[in-house]
Order: sequence, then C-alpha cells, then structure tokens
Amino acid sequence: DAKTTQPPSMDCAEGRAANLPCNHSTISGNEYVYWYRQIHSQGPQYIIHGLKNNETNEMASLIITEDRKSSTLILPHATLRDTAVYYCIVRGWGAQKLVFGQGTRLTINP
Amino acid sequence: EAQVTQNPRYLITVTGKKLTVTCSQNMNHEYMSWYRQDPGLGLRQIYYSMNVEVTDKGDVPEGYKVSRKEKRNFPLILESPSPNQTSLYFCASSLQPYNSPLHFGNGTRLTVT
Repeated sequence: DAKTTQPPSMDCAEGRAANLPCNHSTISGNEYVYWYRQIHSQGPQYIIHGLKNNETNEMASLIITEDRKSSTLILPHATLRDTAVYYCIVRGWGAQKLVFGQGTRLTINP
Repeated sequence: EAQVTQNPRYLITVTGKKLTVTCSQNMNHEYMSWYRQDPGLGLRQIYYSMNVEVTDKGDVPEGYKVSRKEKRNFPLILESPSPNQTSLYFCASSLQPYNSPLHFGNGTRLTVT
C-alpha cells in the first residue's frame, strides 16, 4: 500500500472548518483513501473513504486532487469533541488490513 | 446498536497465566481482525479472519492465538503472556474483507507483570 504523509499536529478554532491534508504521491489506480480518527485511547473511528471523486457524509468531506496524489479531509464546523488523532490511510482494493501511520493530532480550541 | 464489543476493558495479569480477550460483533460481519497499539509503533495487525473457521496471521502474531467458531465472536488468546505483550488491543470487523470500512471496539488495555 502507498505511503502517506501527514503533518504531526494542527490546531483549529471551534466552529471553524478544519482542513487536514494528506500526501500520497505514490498511490496507484486501485487504491482507496480512507480516513479514521482516534479520540484519546478509544478505538479508531471510520470517517470516510474515496477513490477519485470527492465524497461527503454526515461527518466530513473528502477532497481528492485530480492526480490523486493528495487529499484533504474537511470537518465543516469543528467542535471540541473533534479533538483527536486523524489517520489518512491508503488501502489497496484487495487489501484486507489497514496500515496506520502516525496521523495528525488535531486540537480544537475554544 | 451496531457495535464491536470487547471484554474486559482493562486487565492486569502475571507472566505465564493464560488469558482470553473476547470480541463480539452484532452486525453479521464476515471479516474480523485484532490489532495492538503501542507508543511509537502505531497500530499493528495481529490476526485476522475472513469468515468462520478461516483465520490467518497478521504482522505480529507471535504469542497469540485466535479462533472463529461462530461468525460473531473472535477471541484473542494469550497462552503464556509475557511483559512485551503489555499493550492496547483492538478488535475490528467489517462486512467484507475488502473495501468495507472497519469498525473497531473500544479496546482492552492489558498489563502483564
């Protein structure tokens, strides 16, 4: 699976949009981009995933660049409960496991 | 409520005393997996199961056993725990092995002294 690069930490003000970048320049055509988050030491929580089109659900939006080498997770109105470590994961179509990197520690400030 | 349930949440034991961490899911998922999380090493896969009676090793299987006799349950067995198995353990499941989001349990924090 392709490697991802994320900033180690980010801050965002409560109520603002949080934009979390991820670089995956070696991604191949059949690899999906997944986002998970982990709040404190709870189990990782699935947020969203996509292949090449932008995706949106009740939690977030995923914007994937046209060349698929990078993506951005957008939390439209961040709350204090969104403080967590966010993981960007590239997962092959036939891959059964997730390979977690170090993620981005997002802190939402009041 | 759809969920993955692990028990116990916390466990302190001594070296060599066999233990089992249970995992159960109520979503009729085919695929289940165990991960461990350690500082600086992130989450690593221990074992996985594609379906009932089908299990396979992940990246760090040494010292662990699993079984999948029923679709909903996937217990993790430590026959002779050692201090290097002190870790935070997560069970996960998904509808299918591929291209399905994984749903994680809330974790079991194990300390082996």
